[in-house]
Amino acid sequence: EIVLMQSPGTLSLSPGDRATLSCRASQSVGNNYFAWYRQKPGQPPRLLIYDASTRATGIPDRFSGSGSETDFTLTISRLESEDSAVFYCQQYAVAPLTFGGGTKVEIK
Amino acid sequence: EVQLVESGGGVVQPGGSLRLSCAASGFSFEQNAMHWVRQPPGKGLEWVSLISRDGGVTLYANSVKGRFIISRDIIKNSVYLQLNSLRTEDTAIYYCTRGRQWLTDIWGRGTTVTVSS
Repeated sequence: EIVLMQSPGTLSLSPGDRATLSCRASQSVGNNYFAWYRQKPGQPPRLLIYDASTRATGIPDRFSGSGSETDFTLTISRLESEDSAVFYCQQYAVAPLTFGGGTKVEIK
Repeated sequence: EVQLVESGGGVVQPGGSLRLSCAASGFSFEQNAMHWVRQPPGKGLEWVSLISRDGGVTLYANSVKGRFIISRDIIKNSVYLQLNSLRTEDTAIYYCTRGRQWLTDIWGRGTTVTVSS
């Protein structure tokens, strides 16, 4: 099983700031089958990035994904109030599919 | 509009059973794999199960293998999760998700399962 470790656990930033979220995998993620999700309070997760760097439909370009093999990053270039949420990483290269423990982003 | 609507959740005693349903609309159901993912109260996400487009391949998390069964009905555009031998640690919101191959791209709003005596 591929274990995903997200850091930091919590990020407290102001609107307009740049946020950098990291996710490290216990082994290489094949084909860069790696995704990021945002989960706002009381809502299901929403896909932001897939294949490590491709934005999902309707996702603004202030979200970008990068990385390969075991190290992946989600960058939010200009934080907005709606980004007050928990962000999860996921690998879908091998079963069982696994998620990271999440990074909580707080907007000051 | 792509839509997934889960139902069937509830309160059940340990050792009991439930059948969750997910009705899909707005896309070609037979062209997509389907997944179930769960989230215990206040905790993170855990992938539970996958069924391939034709139903020929099913996969399970080790934590539910031998207790849960995933199935699909192409005529009804629905996917199901039979939960047997339920444990308190199965308490969670259960989300149905569309699979683009193995990517979980569209999520329903979830149905809540509570296992308690």
